[in-house]
Amino acid sequence: QVQLQESGPGLVKPSQTLSLTCTVSGASIIIGGDYWSWIRQHPGKGLEWIGNIYYTGSADYNPSLKSRVSMSVDTSKGQFSLTVDSLTVADTAVYYCARLRPGSYYYYDVWGQGAAVTVSS
Amino acid sequence: SSDLTQDPAVSVALGQTVTITCQGDTLRGNYASWYQQKPGQAPVLVIYGKDNRPSGIPDRFSGSRSGNTASLTISGAQAEDEADYYCHSRDNSGRHVYVFGAGTKVTVL
Repeated sequence: QVQLQESGPGLVKPSQTLSLTCTVSGASIIIGGDYWSWIRQHPGKGLEWIGNIYYTGSADYNPSLKSRVSMSVDTSKGQFSLTVDSLTVADTAVYYCARLRPGSYYYYDVWGQGAAVTVSS
Repeated sequence: SSDLTQDPAVSVALGQTVTITCQGDTLRGNYASWYQQKPGQAPVLVIYGKDNRPSGIPDRFSGSRSGNTASLTISGAQAEDEADYYCHSRDNSGRHVYVFGAGTKVTVL
């Protein structure tokens, strides 16, 4: 059974950098051609796609966030990570990691439970 | 445009059928996937592709696409189907860029 688990700080200060890690268990980050994604949800709002990364390190980002986000992957640990720079209160959200199955269709079949992040001084 | 438009809310009587729609130019070339989200929980995939259901999703959930519109139908809605539903698709730029609809709140009366 594939499981994803987010980890990181629950509280960060404005202007600082957020770093989150997603640990994959029950599946290999390398095998299968899957992409690994970050998605966030502001309080009471909808889902916002942040970006995807492939095991090679190739990544795509939401154009609206591209200047402040980066993703990386550590295949030896079965982890991928998200960094968001220059935080503001508008980055307060629940951050989910998920597995994106590509091919003829594109869908997220496994999600982490979510990591709540509050940006506040 | 890569925007996906959903109605904010719909209601359905218990046991009746409801259809949620998702409109966007990108859907002319890409199928949508649909996610159910209940309060305090992570989203759950309910439909992907032409009309595919993951294991464990009841067959009262079905999907379709026509032109620039994708639809999710719940046939014989149950109380446990009350949730937010989000559509999702790949951007039509050809890159691995993706977008979610704003979500539809389904209330089962």
